[in-house]
Amino acid sequence: DADVTQTPRNRITKTGKRIMLECSQTKGHDRMYWYRQDPGLGLRLIYYSFDVKDINKGEISDGYSVSRQAQAKFSLSLESAIPNQTALYFCATSDLAGGVDTQYFGPGTRLTVL
Amino acid sequence: SQELEQSPQSLIVQEGKNLTINCTSSKTLYGLYWYKQKYGEGLIFLMMLQKGGEEKSHEKITAKLDEKKQQSSLHITASQPSHAGIYLCGADGTGTASKLTFGTGTRLQVTL
Repeated sequence: DADVTQTPRNRITKTGKRIMLECSQTKGHDRMYWYRQDPGLGLRLIYYSFDVKDINKGEISDGYSVSRQAQAKFSLSLESAIPNQTALYFCATSDLAGGVDTQYFGPGTRLTVL
Repeated sequence: SQELEQSPQSLIVQEGKNLTINCTSSKTLYGLYWYKQKYGEGLIFLMMLQKGGEEKSHEKITAKLDEKKQQSSLHITASQPSHAGIYLCGADGTGTASKLTFGTGTRLQVTL
């Protein structure tokens, strides 16, 4: 089984709808992240969490919210989806072991907002 | 904020040829990560470099971090179709090993 899973893998929704993307991990890592990937723009950080009680905004958090339900689960919500939120969304986890913080990524969720 | 520039943006090479991808940072790198992404899929961690002059290898892929810690190169020897994908560099520019900034990626195609 994959260490970092994301559901759904693909989603098509309409403008104005609220949508939740879910991420689960079995790696036992404390740190979790949400990124979006757009062509030509690379990966951009939306939110990150260093433990269950610690949530931080990334560089592009407007229009998004997150919930860290447990160490293993980190959900991303789009409050009212808009077309420019169409992108590939990645969840990642990491564990600062020995001063090295390598991030491990899930398979991604392809979101299309019509 | 830190910016990463990757070059080239895309690359087509014949199977068996060598190639190099570069990642240049606007600031000193505290850590430089290389990932590979197959089209539309997740990122696979390849290797991480921390020390100036450091070099690491994984199978036929070698990455180096220059002495000044502002540029890294990824070299593939005797490319194979399995090497095709998008290569991304990610940088820890704060020394806190917390958030990464990513380059826009280099798309590699390997022809037969």
